[in-house]
Amino acid sequence: DIQMTQSPSTLSASVGDRVTITCRASQTISSWLAWYQQKPGKAPRLLIYLTSSLESGVPSRFSGSGSGTDFTLTISSLQPDDFATYYCLQYNRNSPWTFGQGTKVEIK
Amino acid sequence: EVQLVESGGGLVQRGGSLRLSCAASGFTFINYWMSWVRQAPGKGLEWVANINQDGSGKYYMDSMKGRFTISRDNAKNSLYLQMNSLRAEDTAIYYCGRIHYDVVDYWGQGTLVTVSS
Repeated sequence: DIQMTQSPSTLSASVGDRVTITCRASQTISSWLAWYQQKPGKAPRLLIYLTSSLESGVPSRFSGSGSGTDFTLTISSLQPDDFATYYCLQYNRNSPWTFGQGTKVEIK
Repeated sequence: EVQLVESGGGLVQRGGSLRLSCAASGFTFINYWMSWVRQAPGKGLEWVANINQDGSGKYYMDSMKGRFTISRDNAKNSLYLQMNSLRAEDTAIYYCGRIHYDVVDYWGQGTLVTVSS
């Protein structure tokens, strides 16, 4: 199975900061990578799919990039509503889906 | 508005069985693959299983093959997860999800399964 290594596990940042979260796949997954945001007690919310496609309704301060094995989620200017846990998901065809371990974005 | 409502969770003894349901509304259910994803208390997300539109294709996480069965009833707009031989490590919130553009785009609120020893 494909393993996803997400870093950092925790990130302390301030409102207005530029934030970057990375995911590395154990083998190439082309562009089959998505990002989710989850707040305590809530279901995850899809932010980005196919590495860089922004889900409808998601603010443009969120962006995704990468290909092959290395991927990045960037929040260009952190807002109070963005403090949450973020997960990457690889959904390479012909392989079980696997999530990263999560990154908790905390207030600095 | 897309809505997914899970039910059927609860407390079950180790080795027991449970059937989860997910009622879908607000979209044409038969047109979409569906998924189950779980989250143990305080832990990350773990994919459980996917099913295609007519139920002929089912895909599972290896650790759940043979114990869990995903199914659907398109006439009832419902998704199911039959869980047998439950273990303590199956304790989790179970979410159903709609798959669009090959990923889950809408999630239910989840149903908690607790396996006691």
